[in-house]
Amino acid sequence: GQQVMQIPQYQHVQEGEDFTTYCNSSTTLSNIQWYKQRPGGHPVFLIQLVKSGEVKKQKRLTFQFGEAKKNSSLHITATQTTDVGTYFCAGRNPGAGSYQLTFGKGTKLSVIP
Amino acid sequence: DTEVTQTPKHLVMGMTNKKSLKCEQHMGHRAMYWYKQKAKKPPELMFVYSYEKLSINESVPSRFSPECPNSSLLNLHLHALQPEDSALYLCASSQGALNYGYTFGSGTRLTVV
Repeated sequence: GQQVMQIPQYQHVQEGEDFTTYCNSSTTLSNIQWYKQRPGGHPVFLIQLVKSGEVKKQKRLTFQFGEAKKNSSLHITATQTTDVGTYFCAGRNPGAGSYQLTFGKGTKLSVIP
Repeated sequence: DTEVTQTPKHLVMGMTNKKSLKCEQHMGHRAMYWYKQKAKKPPELMFVYSYEKLSINESVPSRFSPECPNSSLLNLHLHALQPEDSALYLCASSQGALNYGYTFGSGTRLTVV
């Protein structure tokens, strides 16, 4: 079955430092989504990437989808305390089973003020 | 505030009880989902409804029974649960089942005693 690996599991950064989390799939994905879950909260949709090599930006957040559509990354520039939470990637297989969105295990970000 | 409303927010039930979790959305989304999330783990898909029809049942035990009365409502009926079923149960919806981000509710935190 499809697996989506996400690293690192935890990341502690000083406020103002950059942060990156990486996602790798064992199979080619039709698209990949990113979610943020604050402590005690629920996942909140950030973005969806569909095209090979796609790069999207949301303020300090930069999302990339690999050329082979098997990997993705989320980069946060100059972290702030409001960035604290767990970031999940979620990938979807093309074709059969495409209703299935497989979540990575998440990267928990802590920001030290 | 989330646009997917889940009730109740917290539920404690005994192993012989029957209870129901409710989910409602008024965004006109045609796909709705139940996810289960244990502490420090990613959400795990339980059921997918697309256009009010059950599309995916991820081999969930029969003590969990989903119901989709209409396109805005999704219920999860619980019966004879086990303590290991204690978790955060998340409802989500999306415009369609394939290429749209999910809007999650704030979840029901279930404790089985």
